[in-house]
Amino acid sequence: DTGVSQDPRHKITKRGQNVTFRCDPISEHNRLYWYRQTLGQGPEFLTYFQNEAQLEKSRLLSDRFSAERPKGSFSTLEIQRTEQGDSAMYLCASSEEQGTPLHFGNGTRLTVT
Amino acid sequence: QKEVEQNSGPLSVPEGAIASLNCTYSDRGSQSFFWYRQYSGKSPELIMFIYSNGDKEDGRFTAQLNKASQYVSLLIRDSQPSDSATYLCALCPGGTYKYIFGTGTRLKVLA
Repeated sequence: DTGVSQDPRHKITKRGQNVTFRCDPISEHNRLYWYRQTLGQGPEFLTYFQNEAQLEKSRLLSDRFSAERPKGSFSTLEIQRTEQGDSAMYLCASSEEQGTPLHFGNGTRLTVT
Repeated sequence: QKEVEQNSGPLSVPEGAIASLNCTYSDRGSQSFFWYRQYSGKSPELIMFIYSNGDKEDGRFTAQLNKASQYVSLLIRDSQPSDSATYLCALCPGGTYKYIFGTGTRLKVLA
């Protein structure tokens, strides 16, 4: 169990650019989640995958955000045409079963200038 | 009403005291409850989880769940300065895959 891995740890980009983040979950976990967290707030749900199927997506997620998990292993989160309001910590988590603890990666801190 | 409510704090306790952190929730269908610790600039780290009414103890930590009153609490005994962090309450509501988090309570343990 090597834990959840996220890459990169930090990303600074200019407004209007596209960015992509990667998450490798714990290998035995088929459930993968993306969250976003801003200062002083709790993690906010973005989307959920069970194997390769994206089963739930937040209504707050604009069409600039897209996530994939093509082979049911690693996942990517892409943000197109970034805005300053996208600056946040993007957290990936995985779990063994529904209702069991989420295990978080170290997160990707995005800064949009 | 927010789905998960926590007092933002800060809650200040002296070293060696018991810290009591509380969380209330709105969805009666919630089945699984979690406490995470988060240091500044780091990701959340699981401290405790509880599924059934009552108390669950793990070392210096005790989670308490009361589904009838819709609250869950975390007690930290013999608090240490290293316990100073933000504590996030989370749960799985019914009818959704997502886990819902509170905004967290900031705990400060004074040496």
